[in-house]
Amino acid sequence: TQLLEQSPQFLSIQEGENLTVYCNSSSVFSSLQWYRQEPGEGPVLLVTVVTGGEVKKLKRLTFQFGDARKDSSLHITAAQPGDTGLYLCAGVSNSGYALNFGKGTSLLVTP
Amino acid sequence: SAVISQKPSRDICQRGTSLTIQCQVDSQVTMMFWYRQQPGQSLTLIATANQGSEATYESGFVIDKFPISRPNLTFSTLTVSNMSPEDSSIYLCSVGHGRLTDTQYFGPGTRLTVL
Repeated sequence: TQLLEQSPQFLSIQEGENLTVYCNSSSVFSSLQWYRQEPGEGPVLLVTVVTGGEVKKLKRLTFQFGDARKDSSLHITAAQPGDTGLYLCAGVSNSGYALNFGKGTSLLVTP
Repeated sequence: SAVISQKPSRDICQRGTSLTIQCQVDSQVTMMFWYRQQPGQSLTLIATANQGSEATYESGFVIDKFPISRPNLTFSTLTVSNMSPEDSSIYLCSVGHGRLTDTQYFGPGTRLTVL
């Protein structure tokens, strides 16, 4: 199993602050996905990054895939209370079949 | 996209009993998966539900404990058999139109507590 470590595990910030969440592994992945999960709901896919060094932007969210395809980061600019949730990264193995999830970063943004 | 519903949304069960969770999709999908999300843990794939044939189980999960049915392209069930408190978890179904590399859509989950 290819393990993914997410940090920090918990993050509580004020509205308007910036933050970065990390997803690291010793294994290489063919692609990596980021999900957000709200209480009582299933995870919702935010983005898939495929190419090493790739950067994708989704409004105030910026996702980056490491050059070696072993790690990824999610940066949120000017966080809002609506960003509150559990952020999960999931790595797709080179076989294309296995999808390994990290434990997630629980984000709380207070007004 | 796909709209997925799960029943029940939550349940509290006694040790030794079994619970069947239903997953219904609003459109035909190729792939259906069942995951477990234990408190403080990541999502773990239990099995891939195959239409018209036996499910494909991941390491650590067996058919006797987690029997799965998939009678058609829009519906699947997962049974948690002979439950123990260690089975307390959120069980999620997800669907996709291809392999795991493709976009998956998740249901809202079933929160199971075993006493």
